[in-house]
Amino acid sequence: DTAVSQTPKYLVTQMGNDKSIKCEQNLGHDTMYWYKQDSKKFLKIMFSYNNKELIINETVPNRFSPKSPDKAHLNLHINSLELGDSAVYFCASSRPGWRGNEQFFGPGTRLTVL
Amino acid sequence: GENVEQHPSTLSVQEGDSAVIKCTYSDSASNYFPWYKQELGKRPQLIIDIRSNVGEKKDQRIAVTLNKTAKHFSLHITETQPEDSAVYFCASTGNTPLVFGKGTRLSVIA
Repeated sequence: DTAVSQTPKYLVTQMGNDKSIKCEQNLGHDTMYWYKQDSKKFLKIMFSYNNKELIINETVPNRFSPKSPDKAHLNLHINSLELGDSAVYFCASSRPGWRGNEQFFGPGTRLTVL
Repeated sequence: GENVEQHPSTLSVQEGDSAVIKCTYSDSASNYFPWYKQELGKRPQLIIDIRSNVGEKKDQRIAVTLNKTAKHFSLHITETQPEDSAVYFCASTGNTPLVFGKGTRLSVIA
């Protein structure tokens, strides 16, 4: 009965590789997000999709490309991985829009770039 | 855009004492202020939230206060227990996406 799920939980890869993280929510929410949490625990929004459409792109390098095949899924593809991409990536979802709606987070994906 | 400042960055209290974490925000249009708790290795989870039409909200040992004039809001935890040890994040939103504070690591010492 996991509300927001992500795979994989851990991802270790070499610099320059391309990797993807998948996210699915079964809450019936229209809005989904990707957050990056760095080693200092800072949580920063990267992208937000509402009903499969991109509504927020917070000046993230274009090596990061989100894809939403349907409103229950939001995947994150990262090209040419760099050391600085090492972080925990959280997917989240909420009812339409971000204003005043609780965000439900996935368990996170710990990405380590060597 | 919105800027959220959170203090302190670390806080240690004795079990049974109270803990207070404070946040300030910059955008006067912000109207929703959630607090998230993140235990080690886990996901952030909402513990309490407050909207701009309310000055205070309480849920058992947890309370949040909001001062719109001063643009600050605070989390109060009473009768702290070891399981309250975690990182706590305040956040703010109105016309912008949710902006998080930098977190407070709370340690409750038994």
